[in-house]
Amino acid sequence: DGGITQSPKYLFRKEGQNVTLSCEQNLNHDAMYWYRQDPGQGLRLIYYSQIVNDFQKGDIAEGYSVSREKKESFPLTVTSAQKNPTAFYLCASSIEPTGDYGYTFGSGTRLTVV
Amino acid sequence: AQTVTQSQPEMSVQEAETVTLSCTYDTSENNYYLFWYKQPPSRQMILVIRQEAYKQQNATENRFSVNFQKAAKSFSLKISDSQLGDTAMYFCAFIPFSHSGGSNYKLTFGKGTLLTVNP
Repeated sequence: DGGITQSPKYLFRKEGQNVTLSCEQNLNHDAMYWYRQDPGQGLRLIYYSQIVNDFQKGDIAEGYSVSREKKESFPLTVTSAQKNPTAFYLCASSIEPTGDYGYTFGSGTRLTVV
Repeated sequence: AQTVTQSQPEMSVQEAETVTLSCTYDTSENNYYLFWYKQPPSRQMILVIRQEAYKQQNATENRFSVNFQKAAKSFSLKISDSQLGDTAMYFCAFIPFSHSGGSNYKLTFGKGTLLTVNP
């Protein structure tokens, strides 16, 4: 079955460490997105990529970095510069960059700073 | 910039009854798409329904229907014959129409409404 796979499901990070969240899709979608979800905040866009080797900052990109070396993969690195990284992270994709038909989401990664 | 407002943080309904979740949005765009997503306790985001702004007919998917009022910028979701499995967080989302998907043309979400269906 086609879909988006996020791993790991749960991730624990020590203060000052960088961690990378994996997102892989086999839907042949052009565009991919990373959202952060906090209680009472809805979903906020971190980064997005409309094509391989290109990506753009979203609304809350500070302290995060991404790469898009392959169409199928869009990993997110949470750096030590991110002051409050504890959150639920959702990866999504859309068949076209316009997103007219909505996004398909992965099952998320819960990141906790310990 | 677009904004999406869901004014009901929490709602509850009895099984088999009907419930309506509210959503308003603010935009200067004339063509756009609206969505309702469901996030059950598993936290998997599921697309419930999609509405094209240039279509006057309200979208319907089985027990889910919308009341789209373009002039009022309102997009409510009605769930009929509520089931226990409908218990979830519901998000309203908006994206402007774009030929190329530029920097402003991304899916914007409201803060969500937590719906609990009681037996």
